[in-house]
Amino acid sequence: GQSLEQPSEVTAVEGAIVQINCTYQTSGFYGLSWYQQHDGGAPTFLSYNALDGLEETGRFSSFLSRSDSYGYLLLQELQMKDSASYFCAVLPDTGRRALTFGSGTRLQVQP
Amino acid sequence: ETGVTQTPRHLVMGMTNKKSLKCEQHLGHNAMYWYKQSAKKPLELMFVYSLEERVENNSVPSRFSPECPNSSHLFLHLHTLQPEDSALYLCASSHGRDSTFEQFFGPGTRLTVL
Repeated sequence: GQSLEQPSEVTAVEGAIVQINCTYQTSGFYGLSWYQQHDGGAPTFLSYNALDGLEETGRFSSFLSRSDSYGYLLLQELQMKDSASYFCAVLPDTGRRALTFGSGTRLQVQP
Repeated sequence: ETGVTQTPRHLVMGMTNKKSLKCEQHLGHNAMYWYKQSAKKPLELMFVYSLEERVENNSVPSRFSPECPNSSHLFLHLHTLQPEDSALYLCASSHGRDSTFEQFFGPGTRLTVL
């Protein structure tokens, strides 16, 4: 089976850099995805890491290390609009082909 | 605008009612999903449809009954629900099961069971 752990809450100030970690236990997977969800909104796809290393998309970057069973989402130059919940998810390579999500990290950006 | 719409956005129902949730995607995708989102819990996958065929039923109680009449529409029929079924129900779609890592979600239906 798969399980993913994330911190429940993270607080940072505008303009800062924040890292949201995701550790997982899984028998095998294709890759690690990240989603953002604002209060009352739909989850939206941010990034996907199929291979180890860093993927950069504007102010957001995502990292995966399969040997460490670990990934993170890095948000730079934080803005107030980045206040949201962030979910990591894995796509298993055996059994059902459907995402398994973590519980999410609520990011509060303060002025 | 994500291209995935859900109706209604809010629903309050008694335990003896029958209601249906509707999802429509305008993205040309051929896989659709129902998720349940409860407070402080991970998104729980309920059902997966690929090319209108149900390919996943994640041990969901029979009081939830999905229907996928075509690749653009997905329904979740509800009957004799319990108060613990109160949650946000999210629909999602993807290009196909090989693109499952990138799903497009609708805004959800906030369901309250009295």
